[in-house]
Amino acid sequence: RKEVEQDPGPFNVPEGATVAFNCTYSNSASQSFFWYRQDCRKEPKLLMSVYSSGNEDGRFTAQLNRASQYISLLIRDSKLSDSATYLCVVNIRDTGRRALTFGSGTRLQVQP
Amino acid sequence: EAQVTQNPRYLITVTGKKLTVTCSQNMNHEYMSWYRQDPGLGLRQIYYSMNVEVTDKGDVPEGYKVSRKEKRNFPLILESPSPNQTSLYFCASTPGLAGGFSNTGELFFGEGSRLTVL
Repeated sequence: RKEVEQDPGPFNVPEGATVAFNCTYSNSASQSFFWYRQDCRKEPKLLMSVYSSGNEDGRFTAQLNRASQYISLLIRDSKLSDSATYLCVVNIRDTGRRALTFGSGTRLQVQP
Repeated sequence: EAQVTQNPRYLITVTGKKLTVTCSQNMNHEYMSWYRQDPGLGLRQIYYSMNVEVTDKGDVPEGYKVSRKEKRNFPLILESPSPNQTSLYFCASTPGLAGGFSNTGELFFGEGSRLTVL
């Protein structure tokens, strides 16, 4: 089982739609969580961190559910420029190895 | 400009011909790491380095070597490349860890190196 799992999509949504992605993680020692965005053939870039109480950054809302071991990303009022792959990222520290573990990503295509 | 620079960006080579992908960062970051990205598998860590002369294996280290002689450079070496090492490679860095990642958890990535081994 993968440590971080995401639905690969693609999610095809019209402009202005609200779309949500979920990501599940298997290691209960996971300590911090992030969403990264990756445009086609480009490097990943940090979109936002995910805090225990949930957090919002403009049209983006991230939430964490530790009991069920999943995080979510909600995008409101989708723009064409939101089309990208969204990577769920988890910081797992129980092995003593300091690394971020990446999900395979969920592809979003916003259509006019 | 703060950045992570990888070279080459694109390379086609043949099985067994040693190659090195260079990575350099100008942000004085202590932590550096190499990832490979393959369809359906996401980003997988190859090797990482917590600081100069300190390196350790990631999830998929077989067939790769690294070195960290200077803080800014972290080259990835393929001694005898094979076709299963055809992939998109990313180098990344982040500030000192002090027991964890920097507050934002932000990794700074290079633009990627697309390697094809025939």
